[in-house]
Amino acid sequence: GAVVSQHPSRVICKSGTSVKIECRSLDFQATTMFWYRQFPKQSLMLMATSNEGSKATYEQGVEKDKFLINHASLTLSTLTVTSAHPEDSSFYICSATQGGRQPQHFGDGTRLSIL
Amino acid sequence: SQQGEEDPQALSIQEGENATMNCSYKTSINNLQWYRQNSGRGLVHLILIRSNEREKHSGRLRVTLDTSKKSSSLLITASRAADTASYFCATDAISGGGADGLTFGKGTHLIIQP
Repeated sequence: GAVVSQHPSRVICKSGTSVKIECRSLDFQATTMFWYRQFPKQSLMLMATSNEGSKATYEQGVEKDKFLINHASLTLSTLTVTSAHPEDSSFYICSATQGGRQPQHFGDGTRLSIL
Repeated sequence: SQQGEEDPQALSIQEGENATMNCSYKTSINNLQWYRQNSGRGLVHLILIRSNEREKHSGRLRVTLDTSKKSSSLLITASRAADTASYFCATDAISGGGADGLTFGKGTHLIIQP
């Protein structure tokens, strides 16, 4: 149980493109989902907390207009990287909790490459 | 949020040996968790230890927590080639309720030599 699916697994696109990443909880309802970013050979950094039916909470230094988060249902959160540039290239990973309790269950991540 | 530190950053051992990784953190916590990440993949949850616990076991894994030193260790016994991965500790801070985002350590890259 507690499976989180993330799609797509890999995106390569031109600078200026907006990219949408989906995070789904397959066998449970997730009122809260989290989005992390990981640069090569580095650790994960929390970007934002996604709450179903309300606005996301962003970590300091993360631009909310750049990284749009929508959590319209109990099983789906989306992250849209708007007008992506090469510096946005990274590994983006989502996670979700069951019943609002730890541990977090992670998706397989999305490798975003902006040319 | 502040990140914890893990040591060693990289560890290479022979199959069958035990591997020990350490993690330190900076704030008061609810729980400390250990995750494994295979190259280019998401994270797999290994074990969660609560702030009022001192030691926990799960199969070949043993985790200790010392809240006075703000540190934790992960021991993998009888290592296997399939244990090759990066290992991260992660903490969630004390808050009013609900699950919080995690603060991750820098990770230990473990290589098991066959």
